[in-house]
Amino acid sequence: AQKITQTQPGMFVQEKEAVTLDCTYDTSDQSYGLFWYKQPSSGEMIFLIYQGSYDEQNATEGRYSLNFQKARKSANLVISASQLGDSAMYFCAMREGDNQGGKLIFGQGTELSVKP
Amino acid sequence: DSGVTQTPKHLITATGQRVTLRCSPRSGDLSVYWYQQSLDQGLQFLIHYYNGEERAKGNILERFSAQQFPDLHSELNLSSLELGDSALYFCASSVDMRTYGYTFGSGTRLTVV
Repeated sequence: AQKITQTQPGMFVQEKEAVTLDCTYDTSDQSYGLFWYKQPSSGEMIFLIYQGSYDEQNATEGRYSLNFQKARKSANLVISASQLGDSAMYFCAMREGDNQGGKLIFGQGTELSVKP
Repeated sequence: DSGVTQTPKHLITATGQRVTLRCSPRSGDLSVYWYQQSLDQGLQFLIHYYNGEERAKGNILERFSAQQFPDLHSELNLSSLELGDSALYFCASSVDMRTYGYTFGSGTRLTVV
């Protein structure tokens, strides 16, 4: 069964430093998509970055990059130059195969705290 | 504003009651997904509708039901509410079943007392 694992319940990082949030996944599908979302204390889910299973390059979006290691089934999020506003919950998610209607499976999340 | 509208934002109700949560997807999006976020279960997929038809079901309780109307808005009905149904309910929309362009609404926070 498809599964997303985030092993870091909480992380601290100093402002302006880089931080890596871990995500491993399990799937037997050849085609899948990996996502990271940010959920601030206000509750909304904010899309950060996407990586397709066939993408050869690691995805980047501004200060966010996704370290995709397909053989290891990992999709770690790297946030460079952390800002105080980055303090939030971060969720890794995977889109299942097409015959499942494209639903997302989420990990348990990592709470990131950025220290001034 | 993400373009996905969920109402109400907050809802407080008593056990045994029934409530309806509403979601208007982003203009042009045919798919609506419902998710439940609770402290003990995390983010769980409930149900997916595509252009009015149910496409996939997750661990949705029998007390819960949903539908998508011809104008593509969707409603999630929760009945015989229990304390454990207290959660943040999200809907997300996308253009089709396979695109990665999911857009989430801001959620409805349901508190059952």
